[in-house]
Amino acid sequence: GAVVSQHPSWVICKSGTSVKIECRSLDFQATTMFWYRQFPKQSLMLMATSNEGSKATYEQGVEKDKFLINHASLTLSTLTVTSAHPEDSSFYICSAKAGGQFEQYFGPGTRLTVT
Amino acid sequence: DAKTTQPTSMDCAEGRAANLPCNHSTISGNEYVYWYRQIHSQGPQYIIHGLKNNETNEMASLIITEDRKSSTLILPHATLRDTAVYYCIGTASGAGSYQLTFGKGTKLSVIP
Repeated sequence: GAVVSQHPSWVICKSGTSVKIECRSLDFQATTMFWYRQFPKQSLMLMATSNEGSKATYEQGVEKDKFLINHASLTLSTLTVTSAHPEDSSFYICSAKAGGQFEQYFGPGTRLTVT
Repeated sequence: DAKTTQPTSMDCAEGRAANLPCNHSTISGNEYVYWYRQIHSQGPQYIIHGLKNNETNEMASLIITEDRKSSTLILPHATLRDTAVYYCIGTASGAGSYQLTFGKGTKLSVIP
């Protein structure tokens, strides 16, 4: 089956610094990638949708200048949390979908802790 | 996306069939029913999807009522590794990108 990886799997950073999370589709070309955030004991919340080569579309309430998304190739998307604060601590999960396919494949997630 | 309603939690004995219901009474004609599951601290895993007909794959079976207002995910022989939160999602799938809106899901506990 299709495999999506994320790096790093967990990261601890200090308040005010920026953190970059990578999402890669390992065995297929992902025309669309999605970024989700999940707080403890809550469901996944979609943050943004990105199509390769285009600007990401952000969900209402998600600051695009704080959560920078780049989808420069068909196998890689990055999420950069800029000027991170403790309230940004969460589980960040990406997913990827190939063009013309139904299934959306998820990465294993990245646990971000901002101290 | 269609609004879905699922029980908060369910228990199932190991080796028995787990039947997880989902109500999606507002689903429209072009919306598929998708099922994903999330094991603790992992990314969601695709299970199965369907439009009108019942579907079966190596993981599960999906039974959709004729009026498409509800469906049931069936894990034929539940194992301890099937303990997870199961999400039923109704969404349109077209030529372009589509989005999944996750609800609270059903927490399935498989009991030894």
